[in-house]
Amino acid sequence: NFMLTQPHSVSESPGKTVTISCTGSSGSIASNYVQWYQQRPGSAPTTVIYEDNQRPSGVPDRFSGSIDSSSNSASLTISGLKTEDEADYYCQSYDSSNRGVFGGGTKLTVL
Amino acid sequence: EVQLVESGGGLVQPGGSLRLSCAASGFTVSSNYMSWVRQAPGKGLEWVSVIYSGGSTYYADSVKGRFTISRDNSKNTLYLQMNSLRAEDTAVYYCAPYYYGSGSYSPWGQGTLVTVSS
Repeated sequence: NFMLTQPHSVSESPGKTVTISCTGSSGSIASNYVQWYQQRPGSAPTTVIYEDNQRPSGVPDRFSGSIDSSSNSASLTISGLKTEDEADYYCQSYDSSNRGVFGGGTKLTVL
Repeated sequence: EVQLVESGGGLVQPGGSLRLSCAASGFTVSSNYMSWVRQAPGKGLEWVSVIYSGGSTYYADSVKGRFTISRDNSKNTLYLQMNSLRAEDTAVYYCAPYYYGSGSYSPWGQGTLVTVSS
């Protein structure tokens, strides 16, 4: 079964840049779109990146997404970190049967 | 404003049934790929099911044969019929986007809690 692996947690200081990785277990991660969702405690998830690198209106351009086929991974990069960026972040893509697959989530701490 | 509002959650006994609804406003359910995603207490997100605009449906192995996704175009509403419920189905269920290359953004709902317990 296709799986996505994320680091359990990352931390960085305000104003810095952090990158969260999402590695596919098999096949090519570039074969299907990758999304990134932000979830703050007690709230529903929201989309920060969809279709690899598209940013919804209202999401700051400090958020960006990319795909690296050589490492079969996707990345979410957040620059100019703010305390409000502290949240859980999930990557998501699809398996060969069109079923959604989520990474385990990464807890971002901004300290 | 684009909005998805779920309803229908609650407490149900093991083996019971429940139907969740996701009412859309400012957004056409039938024109989009729509999915359900759940989150057990303290756990990560788990994908459940999708219905394509053309009507094709797909399910996670954990719910296949027990859950049915559908929509009512006249009501602009997405549904999830859940049968033979188990304790491990306890979760917040979200109406969620399924991105397939349209280039268009889709919202998440606020979620509805389903508790399966005797």
